[in-house]
Amino acid sequence: DIQMTQSPSSLSASVGDRVTITCRASQSISNYLNWYQQKPGKAPKLLIYAASSLQSGVPSRFSGSGSGTDFTLTISSLQPEDFATYYCQQSYSTLWTFGQGTKVEIK
Amino acid sequence: EVQLVESGGGLVQPGGSLRLSCAASGFTFSNYWMTWVRQAPGKGLEWVANIKQDGTEKYYVGSVKGRFTISRDNAKISLYLQMNSLRAEDTAVYYCARGSLGADDYWGQGTLVTVSS
Repeated sequence: DIQMTQSPSSLSASVGDRVTITCRASQSISNYLNWYQQKPGKAPKLLIYAASSLQSGVPSRFSGSGSGTDFTLTISSLQPEDFATYYCQQSYSTLWTFGQGTKVEIK
Repeated sequence: EVQLVESGGGLVQPGGSLRLSCAASGFTFSNYWMTWVRQAPGKGLEWVANIKQDGTEKYYVGSVKGRFTISRDNAKISLYLQMNSLRAEDTAVYYCARGSLGADDYWGQGTLVTVSS
């Protein structure tokens, strides 16, 4: 199975900060990389698909980049509603896998 | 509006069985792959299984292979997960999700499965 490793596992940031989360795959996955946001007690929400395509309705402060094994999710200016846990997911292989998550907390 | 509503969760003893259902609406169900994802209490997301539009292809994470069966009924616009030989480590919230463009773009609210004696 393809392993996905996110870093950091958690971070503290302030409203207005630029935040970057990285995700590394154990083998090349081309651009088959998705990002999700999950708030406590809620279902995950798709933010970015195919590494850099913004899902409809998602604010433009969210962006994704990367290909091969290394990927990045960037929030250009953190808003109060962005405090949540973020997961990457590969869909390159027939067995999809998630990263372990990155919790973004208020500083 | 796309809606996915899971049901069938509950408390079951180790070794028992449970069948989850996911009722879909607001889109042409038969045109999409469908997925089950679970989340153990306080843990991250784990992809469990998915199924092709016509049910001819199914894939499972290793930890459930041979115990869980994903299926769908396009006439009833429903997705299912039959879970047998349940273990404590299967305790989780189970989500169904719609597959599109290589991602899971819509999710249900989840149903809790608790495996305990």
